[in-house]
Amino acid sequence: DTEVTQTPKHLVMGMTNKKSLKCEQHMGHRAMYWYKQKAKKPPELMFVYSYEKLSINESVPSRFSPECPNSSLLNLHLHALQPEDSALYLCASSQDLALRTLSSTDTQYFGPGTRLTVL
Amino acid sequence: AQTVTQSQPEMSVQEAETVTLSCTYDTSESDYYLFWYKQPPSRQMILVIRQEAYKQQNATENRFSVNFQKAAKSFSLKISDSQLGDAAMYFCAYRTINQGGKLIFGQGTELSVKP
Repeated sequence: DTEVTQTPKHLVMGMTNKKSLKCEQHMGHRAMYWYKQKAKKPPELMFVYSYEKLSINESVPSRFSPECPNSSLLNLHLHALQPEDSALYLCASSQDLALRTLSSTDTQYFGPGTRLTVL
Repeated sequence: AQTVTQSQPEMSVQEAETVTLSCTYDTSESDYYLFWYKQPPSRQMILVIRQEAYKQQNATENRFSVNFQKAAKSFSLKISDSQLGDAAMYFCAYRTINQGGKLIFGQGTELSVKP
């Protein structure tokens, strides 16, 4: 079962609000990812967690704050967002994060996404 | 820098026909993975097929197959017996160990299927 779940499906927030996106997987994967995707564009990597530790931050503004409370759960905390941050936010997971040897265990499986609108 | 190019922003195919989506990539690495992901209008990105660069045999998954030409750095996706449910955005992606976990995506090809 390659299922990654995300909540909420849709989120509308004002620029002064604080909200959180949640991602969960029960496949025993140890790497989890946040992507931002604009309409008809490829996903852009934001963060990567490996074994609950932040491994990659793609120079994302501090108004996005990731958190990995345990190996199954990944959160993205949002604060003081801008209208240009409106997008589809995708979570993904992989069995592992192979940084030294190429491996099929780092194949990424995506969740359905959260459609975020910032007013 | 590694890049992935999908030269067809949009494609159309008749139901039950065959369509080929093209993808080329630029790399100096010898070992890498290539992927095709499908993203239907319902949004979820689904892995269609994966190819290891060291394997000469082309990967197949039911009606989906790839034509991997390593020397030409080409990785096209063939969809046979197209179905209405195949309508989606298709992304070609590349990964090597020097990318720190990053998938390098192409710009995508939007496939429509005509009944």
